[in-house]
Amino acid sequence: SQQGEEDPQALSIQEGENATMNCSYKTSINNLQWYRQNSGRGLVHLILIRSNEREKHSGRLRVTLDTSKKSSSLLITASRAADTASYFCATESMNRDDKIIFGKGTRLHILP
Amino acid sequence: EPEVTQTPSHQVTQMGQEVILRCVPISNHLYFYWYRQILGQKVEFLVSFYNNEISEKSEIFDDQFSVERPDGSNFTLKIRSTKLEDSAMYFCASQGNGANVLTFGAGSRLTVL
Repeated sequence: SQQGEEDPQALSIQEGENATMNCSYKTSINNLQWYRQNSGRGLVHLILIRSNEREKHSGRLRVTLDTSKKSSSLLITASRAADTASYFCATESMNRDDKIIFGKGTRLHILP
Repeated sequence: EPEVTQTPSHQVTQMGQEVILRCVPISNHLYFYWYRQILGQKVEFLVSFYNNEISEKSEIFDDQFSVERPDGSNFTLKIRSTKLEDSAMYFCASQGNGANVLTFGAGSRLTVL
């Protein structure tokens, strides 16, 4: 399985601090994506990084990808209470087999 | 902004009953997916659908499950004879041609009693 595995499973930080979540996967990928899920809601796409990219930024989000280690990290800077959610990495395999596989997610809780 | 809509938002059914969950994907999207999420757990891939046929399915998607695009706009997931363990949130997603990003619906919560 090429399923991504996020760590930590849960993370609580103070508002204003930076939050870092990691994702590892098993096989060669075409791209890796991060999604956010508020409790009981659908997933919302945050950012995509292609296999030939090493780092990508979008607002307060910074994603890195290390294909040699088959890992990615998502950094949220200057966290806000509204960032409280679950964050999932998702991988699309190199062979484009029409399935995007999600990891187990990291539950992020921002403390006021 | 275009969105994926799902109905019903919540369905309660008795074990053994048939359930149909409905999705209206974004109109110009070509790839459609169903995922499920048991409460608080991982998001599991069920099936992908392209060009009016299943392109990939997981081991979860057994003979009790089927998908259909009956009228060119709706995309349905049918569970023929529900089991207790089918209780979960079911998410529909669609993807445009040449795009990698999935747009998800808000989900349908299925409770099997």
